[in-house]
Amino acid sequence: GNSVTQMEGPVTLSEEAFLTINCTYTATGYPSLFWYVQYPGEGLQLLLKATKADDKGSNKGFEATYRKETTSFHLEKGSVQVSDSAVYFCALSDHRGSTLGRLYFGRGTQLTVWP
Amino acid sequence: ETGVTQTPRHLVMGMTNKKSLKCEQHLGHNAMYWYKQSAKKPLELMFVYSLEERVENNSVPSRFSPECPNSSHLFLHLHTLQPEDSALYLCASSQGPGQGAQIKGGELFFGEGSRLTVL
Repeated sequence: GNSVTQMEGPVTLSEEAFLTINCTYTATGYPSLFWYVQYPGEGLQLLLKATKADDKGSNKGFEATYRKETTSFHLEKGSVQVSDSAVYFCALSDHRGSTLGRLYFGRGTQLTVWP
Repeated sequence: ETGVTQTPRHLVMGMTNKKSLKCEQHLGHNAMYWYKQSAKKPLELMFVYSLEERVENNSVPSRFSPECPNSSHLFLHLHTLQPEDSALYLCASSQGPGQGAQIKGGELFFGEGSRLTVL
């Protein structure tokens, strides 16, 4: 079946520190992979995505590379800011079947960045 | 502003009340979803509507009743809820059949959620 496992939080960093949030997946086909971010009091927003192996998604200084050999999609940012404090969700989309857009989410990782 | 609007943002209700959550999307999508987000639990997909027909129902209790009158609106009718139903209910939309969803990789657009508290 399809599932996503991401590192447990919370993650606490100082401003300008390097961030890695690990995500691995299990899928029966060739999924698309996503990182969504949820800021306090808001819904989820797409941060970045990759639709095939070796693709790199990037946005707002965040990057993640679709690694088929390790079934991973780790999120990285070289220098975090206080405004990056949020919950980050890794997700995969299985295009097969009748439910287009069906996303399988990880449990989320809370990131807190201190000035 | 994601193009998906949910009302109300906050709702407090007793176990014997009947209320409804509303979701409206302005993105021209034809697939809509209800997710439940509880503390310390993964996001749970509740219902999926595609072209106004329910295509997925993940064993959700009958006290939750969805309605999709058209491709832009989705409701979640609530009755005789339990305290454990307190959660953030998220609506989402996406491109569906005939809209190239498979090509674009299944991205969902979420509303800001309706925070439900059941007393």
